[in-house]
Amino acid sequence: SQTIHQWPATLVQPVGSPLSLECTVEGTSNPNLYWYRQAAGRGLQLLFYSVGIGQISSEVPQNLSASRPQDRQFILSSKKLLLSDSGFYLCAWSGGRVNTGELFFGEGSRLTVL
Amino acid sequence: AQSVTQLGSHVSVSEGALVLLRCNYSSSVPPYLFWYVQYPNQGLQLLLKYTSAATLVKGINGFEAEFKKSETSFHLTKPSAHMSDAAEYFCAVSSEGTYKYIFGTGTRLKVLA
Repeated sequence: SQTIHQWPATLVQPVGSPLSLECTVEGTSNPNLYWYRQAAGRGLQLLFYSVGIGQISSEVPQNLSASRPQDRQFILSSKKLLLSDSGFYLCAWSGGRVNTGELFFGEGSRLTVL
Repeated sequence: AQSVTQLGSHVSVSEGALVLLRCNYSSSVPPYLFWYVQYPNQGLQLLLKYTSAATLVKGINGFEAEFKKSETSFHLTKPSAHMSDAAEYFCAVSSEGTYKYIFGTGTRLKVLA
């Protein structure tokens, strides 16, 4: 069966510090990968998606970046965090060997920038 | 462009009462529609999906939704609310040939004893 893991689950960082959130998918190949951010009362905002290794599409201009160094690995990064980067970050995947149409989500990473 | 509107950011129902969460979509192509549930500090879990087969879709935990093209709606219902249904619910739209999934702003369901 397919699983998705993201870490760390919780992170408290000072303003101006770097960020790295990691996500891996197991049990499938060539998935589409996504990073969403969830802020209170604002639903899910699509940040990045990737349809293949090294292929990143950015949906929102910001100081975050994403990379996909391996087929089933997706990393969200920042060189200098802002207060407004606080939120709940969700990694998700779709497609793969058997595309059933829906997104599958990880458990999320809560980032607090102080 | 596709979009989703969820009417009511907070809904309260009594235990045993009907649950109705509203979702309207906009899409220039045949849509795929989804309902997800999120419990505090967790990821989203799929409740049900519509991908152009039967218009009445049954999901997990007794939930169902009906795709109504004429009303561009995909409302989520459950005949009898249970305390464990208290959570946040998200409607989402996508379509064949696109990689994007667009989510609504969510509806927080409260179940009163």
